[in-house]
Amino acid sequence: GAVVSQHPSRVICKSGTSVKIECRSLDFQATTMFWYRQFPKQSLMLMATSNEGSKATYEQGVEKDKFLINHASLTLSTLTVTSAHPEDSSFYICSADYQGGGYGYTFGSGTRLTVV
Amino acid sequence: DQQVKQNSPSLSVQEGRISILNCDYTNSMFDYFLWYKKYPAEGPTFLISISSIKDKNEDGRFTVFLNKSAKHLSLHIVPSQPGDSAVYFCAASGKEGAQKLVFGQGTRLTINP
Repeated sequence: GAVVSQHPSRVICKSGTSVKIECRSLDFQATTMFWYRQFPKQSLMLMATSNEGSKATYEQGVEKDKFLINHASLTLSTLTVTSAHPEDSSFYICSADYQGGGYGYTFGSGTRLTVV
Repeated sequence: DQQVKQNSPSLSVQEGRISILNCDYTNSMFDYFLWYKKYPAEGPTFLISISSIKDKNEDGRFTVFLNKSAKHLSLHIVPSQPGDSAVYFCAASGKEGAQKLVFGQGTRLTINP
């Protein structure tokens, strides 16, 4: 149980285009999901907290107009990288707290984005 | 400001011996700590956690120790197995309901046969 499915696992896009990444909770409802970014050999950095039915909360330094987050249902959150540039190339990971209260995080398998 | 620090980027251990991974934190508001294992191009997998009201939690070959006064935690793996080779992240979260996880930089553990 407590599976988070993330899709696609890998995507290559041209500079200036937009890319959508989906994160689904398969066997539980997630009112809150989290989006992380990981650069090579670095830590996972929280980008934003996605809240079902309301606006996402972005961490300092993350451009909300560039990284659009939509959490339209209790099982789906999407991250859209708009007008992608090569510096947006990274590994993006979503997670959800299946136990609530901050005690049961499970992660998606991640998306490798390469902008050429 | 790195609130959670893993000062050893890599660690190499002989199979069968004990692996000890260390983690330090600076924020005294953290009260829940987790260890994750991560393979390349995959999401982190939860290993073990500990609440600040405890100083030790054990699950099979994995034991986490917490020293609140020193703001230090460690993960012990014994005996170490080749399949344990991965990057290990410690993470911390604040008071109940805060939910946000802050990760350390990770330690790459290599178990040598």
